[in-house]
Amino acid sequence: NAGVTQTPKFQVLKTGQSMTLQCAQDMNHNSMYWYRQDPGMGLRLIYYSASEGTTDKGEVPNGYNVSRLNKREFSLRLESAAPSQTSVYFCASSPERVGPYGYTFGSGTRLTVV
Amino acid sequence: AQSVAQPEDQVNVAEGNPLTVKCTYSVSGNPYLFWYVQYPNRGLQFLLKYITGDNLVKGSYGFEAEFNKSQTSFHLKKPSALVSDSALYFCAVRPSSNTGKLIFGQGTTLQVKP
Repeated sequence: NAGVTQTPKFQVLKTGQSMTLQCAQDMNHNSMYWYRQDPGMGLRLIYYSASEGTTDKGEVPNGYNVSRLNKREFSLRLESAAPSQTSVYFCASSPERVGPYGYTFGSGTRLTVV
Repeated sequence: AQSVAQPEDQVNVAEGNPLTVKCTYSVSGNPYLFWYVQYPNRGLQFLLKYITGDNLVKGSYGFEAEFNKSQTSFHLKKPSALVSDSALYFCAVRPSSNTGKLIFGQGTTLQVKP
């Protein structure tokens, strides 16, 4: 099983460009999450989707949009990239919105905005 | 506010010595507790979790963690460290309430020297 798959693994954007980070899970999980990881800041939640058809803002949603395309896929879009969005982005999934479940993480997308 | 604290940014230990990575939390109710490990340029990998029952939980790669309800702590331990254990470790807490999302600590870098 692949688990959580993120594409691309690396990306360089110019300021103002747009792009979509893709995430897919094959574990039939209901909940999916997008995090960014920056040095000294730990993991910060951008957006999450508790179940198919719903999305909600996390701690740092500004500058991002998400789409829960179906149960498997949860994409993150940067409409107009800024240097402050240079980061490593992780997608994660969980069987349910609540309960004694951890998250399964993808391997990350390293994004540089110049 | 609910939070997780990892008071040490870095822990240094000699190979073969025991290691402890500390975690305390401030979450109401009876939360679920997790440890994750992140190797360089990789996603977070699940190590172990505490749901209920025995306060000493055993996980992957010889790691274990001790839950202490009165001290609201969940310290990660290993009797004999390996150089290959060097990585970034995250403690995470998932409230049992219906908000449900994992709350992560800031992470602790473990450096095991030969």
